[in-house]
Amino acid sequence: DQQVKQNSPSLSVQEGRISILNCDYTNSMFDYFLWYKKYPAEGPTFLISISSIKDKNEDGRFTVFLNKSAKHLSLHIVPSQPGDSAVYFCAAFLDNQGGKLIFGQGTELSVKP
Amino acid sequence: DVKVTQSSRYLVKRTGEKVFLECVQDMDHENMFWYRQDPGLGLRLIYFSYDVKMKEKGDIPEGYSVSREKKERFSLILESASTNQTSMYLCASKPGGFQPQHFGDGTRLSIL
Repeated sequence: DQQVKQNSPSLSVQEGRISILNCDYTNSMFDYFLWYKKYPAEGPTFLISISSIKDKNEDGRFTVFLNKSAKHLSLHIVPSQPGDSAVYFCAAFLDNQGGKLIFGQGTELSVKP
Repeated sequence: DVKVTQSSRYLVKRTGEKVFLECVQDMDHENMFWYRQDPGLGLRLIYFSYDVKMKEKGDIPEGYSVSREKKERFSLILESASTNQTSMYLCASKPGGFQPQHFGDGTRLSIL
C-alpha cells in the first residue's frame, strides 16, 4: 500500500526553464510534507517542507504547493540549473508516529545546459 | 551542522554472514532511523528508535534487527545475510517534534 506516490520516475528540463515535480498521497491525516534531494553516492538532503495547514511555501528558487482536496503536492524549481540534476523524493510526516517519514519512489531530474 | 556518520561506504559480505552496519550522530537527537533504498521503490523504513534501548519496527523489518545502547549510536544487524538484502542502506536522525531527518551518506552493501 503506497501511501505516497511519485508517478514520474524521470524528468528532463532545459536549463533556465521551470521544473515541476509531482507527488500524490492517500492519507489525509498527514501533518507535514517534505522534499529531499539526493545526489548519487550521498545521503538525501532536506530541501523544503510545507505544513498541511498551508498551501504554499517558498524558499528561493524552490516552491512547494499543496492541494489538500486533490491530495497532491508539487515542487517547482525556477529557474532550473544543471546542479539541480538529482533524484527528488517527497515524504509525508505523521506527528503521532515518532517522526517517521513515508517516502515516495523518487523522480530523477535531469537539467540540460 | 548535523553530522550523521555511517561506518562504511561500501561493504561486501557472503550469504549467511552476520552483518553489522553502524551509524553515529553528533547532535544528541532522540530519534534515529534505518532505511534501505532500492530502484523504483524509494526509501523504505526498516526500524527506528525514539530513545535509548527503544525500537520500533518499520515497514520491512524482516531479516533485520537493531541495537541502540547509547543515544548517539544506532546499529542495524543482518542476522543471516541473503542476496535480497543487497541494497543501499541509509541512516538518519532527528530531534523531537516536527524537524527534518538528517541522513548519512549511506552504505552500499553487496551480499554474494
